[in-house]
Amino acid sequence: SQELEQSPQSLIVQEGKNLTINCTSSKTLYGLYWYKQKYGEGLIFLMMLQKGGEEKSHEKITAKLDEKKQQSSLHITASQPSHAGIYLCGAVIGTASKLTFGTGTRLQVTL
Amino acid sequence: SAVISQKPSRDICQRGTSLTIQCQVDSQVTMMFWYRQQPGQSLTLIATANQGSEATYESGFVIDKFPISRPNLTFSTLTVSNMSPEDSSIYLCSVGRGSSYEQYFGPGTRLTVT
Repeated sequence: SQELEQSPQSLIVQEGKNLTINCTSSKTLYGLYWYKQKYGEGLIFLMMLQKGGEEKSHEKITAKLDEKKQQSSLHITASQPSHAGIYLCGAVIGTASKLTFGTGTRLQVTL
Repeated sequence: SAVISQKPSRDICQRGTSLTIQCQVDSQVTMMFWYRQQPGQSLTLIATANQGSEATYESGFVIDKFPISRPNLTFSTLTVSNMSPEDSSIYLCSVGRGSSYEQYFGPGTRLTVT
């Protein structure tokens, strides 16, 4: 099983709607990173969360880290077509000294 | 953030051949990483490339199959050797930033092996 699970795997929302993507770890999280990937391209760094309870926002995207639940959520408000892509969470898990990436969430925004 | 370029952006190769992927960064960085993203899958770390020392490979990846060079602080190459169709993936390099695990990624190289 994956150490870092994302849900949902895919999401289709109408433009203007809000949405939430979750990233859950089976082990203790030490730092959580959100990235966005457009099809066939590299990853764009969105946000880094390091402390339990930490919340960060950039434009219409907000990410929170719940260390007790070993979970992070990414919330997009009033989605736009430009938000479409694959969202990946990456985290330092347990004693590993590397980033482990989640399974990814494919977001489509319809007009 | 660093500007990272990769060459080639894509290639179609025959099985049994080798391909070398280049990663160039616009500033000096200590840590460089190589990842593989198989079709429909997430990223898997292949190895960490440090300048002046041998790369550190993750479980399941070996130097004979994925030799890495890191001749200076702005450049690295990954070779995919003796390719098979199972090597068809996107290969991405990334660079670390500071003391955290924050990383910036190149645009990736899309490899198809026939």
